[in-house]
Amino acid sequence: QVQLVESGGGVVQPGKSLRLSCAVSGFTFSNYAMHWVRQAPGKGLEWLAVIQFDGSLKYYGDSVKGRFTISRDNSKNTLYLQMSNVRPGDTAVYYCAREEAALAGCGHWGQGTLLIVSS
Amino acid sequence: QSVLTQSPSASGTPGQRVTMSCAGRSSNIGTNYVYWYQQVPGAAPKLLIYKNNQRPSGVPDRFSASKSGSSASLAISGLRSEDEADYYCAVWDDSLSGWVFGGGTKVTVL
Repeated sequence: QVQLVESGGGVVQPGKSLRLSCAVSGFTFSNYAMHWVRQAPGKGLEWLAVIQFDGSLKYYGDSVKGRFTISRDNSKNTLYLQMSNVRPGDTAVYYCAREEAALAGCGHWGQGTLLIVSS
Repeated sequence: QSVLTQSPSASGTPGQRVTMSCAGRSSNIGTNYVYWYQQVPGAAPKLLIYKNNQRPSGVPDRFSASKSGSSASLAISGLRSEDEADYYCAVWDDSLSGWVFGGGTKVTVL
């Protein structure tokens, strides 16, 4: 079955860098565009970034443009989110999601990984 | 403040019909497909509606959606206790070159 498992969250100090990972299984990873979405405690969903199936196109939300980088390794079936200069406002649960074919939305999501930015 | 504006809350008794709105602009809802996600507290979001009004397999036909101009709406008929959740609209915005979510509507089953 389709599985997406995020990792890499935890407690990190402001200004630091870290990388989140999303390991997938149960489908051909290289066929799908992938997204990162986050949710701050008690807040709504915020879209962060999307990467095309082959990594050729990437788009970012304004709040993370220039600080976060989405990437993928299709040989390792893994999606990444490189985060730099993190701020307390980046504290959130970070989800990866698979975009279904033919513009059918994000039909599969991971369980999320919690990142807390605090000194 | 979200680019997409959703009514913050909606409620109803079991069996009732509940509707919620998502207001956008010409660069997003006015031009592109709208998607709806359901999020039960403590869980990941779940795709409810894609391409304005299409239901993924497994989503009950109690859920329906429509789009008109730069606004969209989601309706839940025959409200059930398990429908108590947050509902988010999402759409690609041509001006931002990115996806945007609405602020969410919290549905309470009385």
